[in-house]
Amino acid sequence: SQTIHQWPATLVQPVGSPLSLECTVEGTSNPNLYWYRQAAGRGLQLLFYSIGIDQISSEVPQNLSASRPQDRQFILSSKKLLLSDSGFYLCAWSVRRDQPQHFGDGTRLSIL
Amino acid sequence: DQQVKQNSPSLSVQEGRISILNCDYTNSMFDYFLWYKKYPAEGPTFLISISSIKDKNEDGRFTVFLNKSAKHLSLHIVPSQPGDSAVYFCAASAIGTGANSKLTFGKGITLSVRP
Repeated sequence: SQTIHQWPATLVQPVGSPLSLECTVEGTSNPNLYWYRQAAGRGLQLLFYSIGIDQISSEVPQNLSASRPQDRQFILSSKKLLLSDSGFYLCAWSVRRDQPQHFGDGTRLSIL
Repeated sequence: DQQVKQNSPSLSVQEGRISILNCDYTNSMFDYFLWYKKYPAEGPTFLISISSIKDKNEDGRFTVFLNKSAKHLSLHIVPSQPGDSAVYFCAASAIGTGANSKLTFGKGITLSVRP
């Protein structure tokens, strides 16, 4: 069966520090991969999606970037974190565009 | 512009009764709809989906109804159980447009099932 792993579960970082969140999927090949963020009091917002290695699209201009160095690995990064980057970050995968997306357990990021 | 709306922030239901969770959307290009359930400190878990070519989809205790003319969908849980207490998100996607299949989420509704 397919599983998705996301780490760390929680992270506290100072303003201006770098960020790297990692997500890996097991049990499937060439998945569609997604990064979402849920800010306090708001719904989930798509940040990045990828249909293949090095094929990444950004939905929202921001301080973040994403990379997919391997088929089942998706990384969310920032060179310098802002206070507004605080939130709950979720990685998701799907087999095809018309199939449900399945989420990891998320990372709670707090910026001080 | 909130394209998927869950106007009620919370719902409380007696165990064994029916829970009806509502969702409205504004984008007529949406053609694929999903419901997710979320417990605290966990990611959303997929529950059930429906394509716009259908008006009903059933999976065990969960049934989703779609009214395209009203741009409205609802999730029925029968019978409700205390373990159903969680936040439920409605989500929509425009598969047919050839877009990236991103999900647009509502803000969620907190369901509490009283024993």
